[in-house]
Amino acid sequence: DIQMTQSPSTLSASIGDRVTITCRASQSAGSWLAWYQQKPGRAPKLLIYKASSLESGVPSRFSGSGSGTEFTLTISSLQPDDFATYYCQQYNSYSTFGQGTKVEIK
Amino acid sequence: QVQLQESGPGVVKPSETLSLTCTVSGGSISSYSWSWIRQPPGKGLEWIGYISHSGSTSYNPSLKSRVIISVDTSKNQFSLKMSSVTAADTAVYYCARVATYCGGDCCDYWGQGTLVTVSS
Repeated sequence: DIQMTQSPSTLSASIGDRVTITCRASQSAGSWLAWYQQKPGRAPKLLIYKASSLESGVPSRFSGSGSGTEFTLTISSLQPDDFATYYCQQYNSYSTFGQGTKVEIK
Repeated sequence: QVQLQESGPGVVKPSETLSLTCTVSGGSISSYSWSWIRQPPGKGLEWIGYISHSGSTSYNPSLKSRVIISVDTSKNQFSLKMSSVTAADTAVYYCARVATYCGGDCCDYWGQGTLVTVSS
């Protein structure tokens, strides 16, 4: 199984900050990686697929990069609506999620 | 607009079988692949498995012996059955649509989720 490890687990940031979340795979996931945003009591929302492709309707301040075993999600300028938990998901071999990164208000 | 809605018992007894159905509206179920994902209270997401538009299935290896996913195209529904449940199976269960452009099992539409508690 491919294990996914996100860092940090919690991130405190201010409005306007540039935020980066890292996801590491225990073995290569190729470019088969997605990022989701989840707010309390809500289903996850797809942000990024194939490591760097922006889902339709998602603001351009979100971007993804990486391949193989190391991936990043970047929010270029944090907005009030972005405080949430973010998950990476590899779908190269079966599918596994990272443990999540909670983005909190500083 | 595609909508997904999970339905099924909110409480299941230990050792029994959990059965959930996802009803899809606003589109044909036959054209897509469909997934189940769960989230224990206060914890992260766990992929359970998916069924493709051709009817083939893939399951999380850790759950494979207990899980069956099936589809009923006449009702535009797909289902999850998980046998021999324990308290560790208590979670919010989500059904979701696999995005055709992902190249694999990433999901663009999700149900609202349904909490299933395993308790006697």
